[in-house]
Amino acid sequence: GAVVSQHPSWVICKSGTSVKIECRSLDFQATTMFWYRQFPKQSLMLMATSNEGSKATYEQGVEKDKFLINHASLTLSTLTVTSAHPEDSSFYICSASSQEETQYFGPGTRLLVL
Amino acid sequence: QKEVEQNSGPLSVPEGAIASLNCTYSDRGSQSFFWYRQYSGKSPELIMFIYSNGDKEDGRFTAQLNKASQYVSLLIRDSQPSDSATYLCAGRGSGAGSYQLTFGKGTKLSVIP
Repeated sequence: GAVVSQHPSWVICKSGTSVKIECRSLDFQATTMFWYRQFPKQSLMLMATSNEGSKATYEQGVEKDKFLINHASLTLSTLTVTSAHPEDSSFYICSASSQEETQYFGPGTRLLVL
Repeated sequence: QKEVEQNSGPLSVPEGAIASLNCTYSDRGSQSFFWYRQYSGKSPELIMFIYSNGDKEDGRFTAQLNKASQYVSLLIRDSQPSDSATYLCAGRGSGAGSYQLTFGKGTKLSVIP
């Protein structure tokens, strides 16, 4: 089946620093990748959709200058949380889909901002 | 506004019973539906998807879709304690942004040994 990896699986950083999270599709070419955020006991919240080679489309309320997304290849997308603050602490999950449209999720990245 | 509604649960069933998870959606343009399972602290994993009206079976899982009633369900036969998780229903529409999924808030299932 389709495998999506994320790195790192967890990260702790100081307030004000930037954190980069990588999302890779390992055995298929992902034309579209999605970034979600999930707070404890809450549902998935879509942050942005990115297509390879194009600018990401952000959901309403998500600051594009704070959450930088790059989808440079068909197997890699990165999310950079810039100037992270404690309220950015969350579970960040990417998913990837190919022409078949089914989304496969990565294992997620837990971010804790101190 | 596209919405997918699920009962939050928890839904408790005894081991070996059938668990029935339900989902309704508001967007009549939705073309396909997906069921994901999410264990606590983990990311969602795909169980199955369904495009056509009727039933689709995969092992112990059966997805049912009724587009006229805008209703999707997932049946889990011979429920096991390892099935205890939150089940997310998601719909995918058509047209612009159609690759996006609209997720329900999930139903928490507890299978009691």
